[in-house]
Order: sequence, then structure tokens, then C-alpha cells
Amino acid sequence: QVQVVQSGAEVKEPGASVRVSCKTSGYIFTDYYLHWVRQAPGQGLEWVGLINPDLGNTNYAQKFRGRVSMTRDTSRSTVYLELSSLTSEDTAVYYCAREVNDFDYWGQGTLVTVSS
Amino acid sequence: QAGLTQPPSLSYDLGETATLTCTGNRYNVGHGGAAWLHQHRGHPPKLLSYRNGKWPSGIPERFSESRSGDTASLTITGLQAEDEGDFYCTSWDSSLSAWLFGGGTKVTVL
Repeated sequence: QVQVVQSGAEVKEPGASVRVSCKTSGYIFTDYYLHWVRQAPGQGLEWVGLINPDLGNTNYAQKFRGRVSMTRDTSRSTVYLELSSLTSEDTAVYYCAREVNDFDYWGQGTLVTVSS
Repeated sequence: QAGLTQPPSLSYDLGETATLTCTGNRYNVGHGGAAWLHQHRGHPPKLLSYRNGKWPSGIPERFSESRSGDTASLTITGLQAEDEGDFYCTSWDSSLSAWLFGGGTKVTVL
């Protein structure tokens, strides 16, 4: 069965960077795009960007360009989200989601807290 | 960037019919439709329906969807207690080359 498992919670100081991982299993890793979506406390969903695990090409939301990077390791069926220059407004649960036409499988979420 | 518009909250009695709306424009909902997600507090979202009108396995038949122009609708016939939670619509925007989400509708079942 399809599984999407993310790394654990992170606490970072303002100005730092964070790296979150998303390991998939149960399907061919390179067949489907993977997305990152975040949700600030008590707020709605916000698309961060996507990565094509096959070719490694990415598409980032305009808001995050310049401080976001998505990479993949095909040998580990894992994608990574790195977000730099963190501020308190980046405090959120970050989700990894597989796209088969739409977002059909989601990871459990990773809480990133930015605090001094 | 622009998002999709959903009413923030709706309340219904148990067993009633709920209708949720999601309004975009000709580049997103009007072009390719909207998918719907359901989220219970503290849990990741779950896909309810695809943009193409198809349904993931296991979704109860009390859920249905439709679209008219730039507005997509999700209808829940015979609301159950477990239908409480937040509902989000999402669509690909061909003008922005970005995925958009609605602000979410919190559904309360009284």
C-alpha cells in the first residue's frame, strides 16, 4: 500500500534553515509528482511547490522563490524540502502529498516551529 | 497570489443536506474544475473528489460534486457526525502555473 512518511518536528531560530524529508513506498517513486503544502496554526492550506521525482525539476510558489529548495534521492524514494531565512511566519505543519491528478496521498505532517 | 473563495463556516443539523461552494476564475476552477479535501482537526487532509469528477475508493455515496462556470460545489446528502471538519477546494491555475487552495469551510453538524 502507498505510504508517505515524513521526518519529525523541528525547532529553529529566526534566520536559520530547515530540512524536512518525505519517504514514499508502495508505488514507483518516479511515476508521480510530489508536493509540499503547509498549514500555519489555525489557518488554511498553502501550496509551497512541487518536484518531479523522475527528472528532479521543480516548480515553486512565487512567494517562496529564492529561499526554497526541493530535491530528491531516487535510491531512497525520498524527497526533501529546505526552507531558508526562516521567520515566525514560517511556523506551520508542512505536508508532503503525492499527485495522481490531484493530491491523493498525504504524509502525516511535520511541525516546524520558528522561535528564538 | 490569488486563491479560491469558500465560505468560512456553515452549520447544519444531523441528516440535513449541506452544499459547499468554491469560486475561482477561468484559469483555475473554470478551466479544470476543483478537487475537494476533508480535514479533521490534527490530521492531514484527505482527498474526497478529483477535479475530473471521479471519486477515490471508499468515499460514501452521500457526497456529490458539480461545477457551473467558475464555481464548484460539494454536496453532502444526509450529514453524519463524522462529516464535521474543514473542507478545502483546490485547483491548478494555468495562468499562475501554481496550485491554489480555498480558505476552507468549517462544517459543524448540530
